[in-house]
Amino acid sequence: NAGVTQTPKFQVLKTGQSMTLQCAQDMNHNSMYWYRQDPGMGLRLIYYSASEGTTDKGEVPNGYNVSRLNKREFSLRLESAAPSQTSVYFCASTPVGNYGYTFGSGTRLTVV
Amino acid sequence: KQEVTQIPAALSVPEGENLVLNCSFTDSAIYNLQWFRQDPGKGLTSLLLIQSSQREQTSGRLNASLDKSSGRSTLYIAASQPGDSATYLCAVWGGATNKLIFGTGTLLAVQP
Repeated sequence: NAGVTQTPKFQVLKTGQSMTLQCAQDMNHNSMYWYRQDPGMGLRLIYYSASEGTTDKGEVPNGYNVSRLNKREFSLRLESAAPSQTSVYFCASTPVGNYGYTFGSGTRLTVV
Repeated sequence: KQEVTQIPAALSVPEGENLVLNCSFTDSAIYNLQWFRQDPGKGLTSLLLIQSSQREQTSGRLNASLDKSSGRSTLYIAASQPGDSATYLCAVWGGATNKLIFGTGTLLAVQP
């Protein structure tokens, strides 16, 4: 029972480098989300995908892009990493009707 | 804009005590409210989900209540144990944003 799987778990980037955070869920959920968590700021929504083929901006989308590759996978891309993007990133998913969110274990990203 | 507040921000209790964590939200037009637990450096684990039509949900020593009209929820933990030490987050879904909005959490420490 994998649930929501995120890779990698840890990453250190230099300013200006790019990378893609991967997320996959095996629960046949329709909607998927990317959040970032920062001390004192709580969890903030970056992007979400209500269903396969759609994506929308959340609260803090600047500096990020997403791809809903198929129903299972939702990736988050940082094109040119900045120190302000140092954070813990969580992916989540919900079924149709939102009977609760399931979260991945997170990716801890440091940009130096 | 939906705002979710959790009080207290931190709480320390001796083992065996019953305790209540509070969550309030400004927009009462929610579809559901979810309580999560987060251990240090880990992801979010869903504890309880209360649909807007429900008044409470129970799981083991945990009981969550919802008063939608007053914009409040409580998480009751009976006979607390050191293993309950974690950050507890509440999140609401629905209202104007139709997204999951988190509170900043209550850091609970249960002293043996």
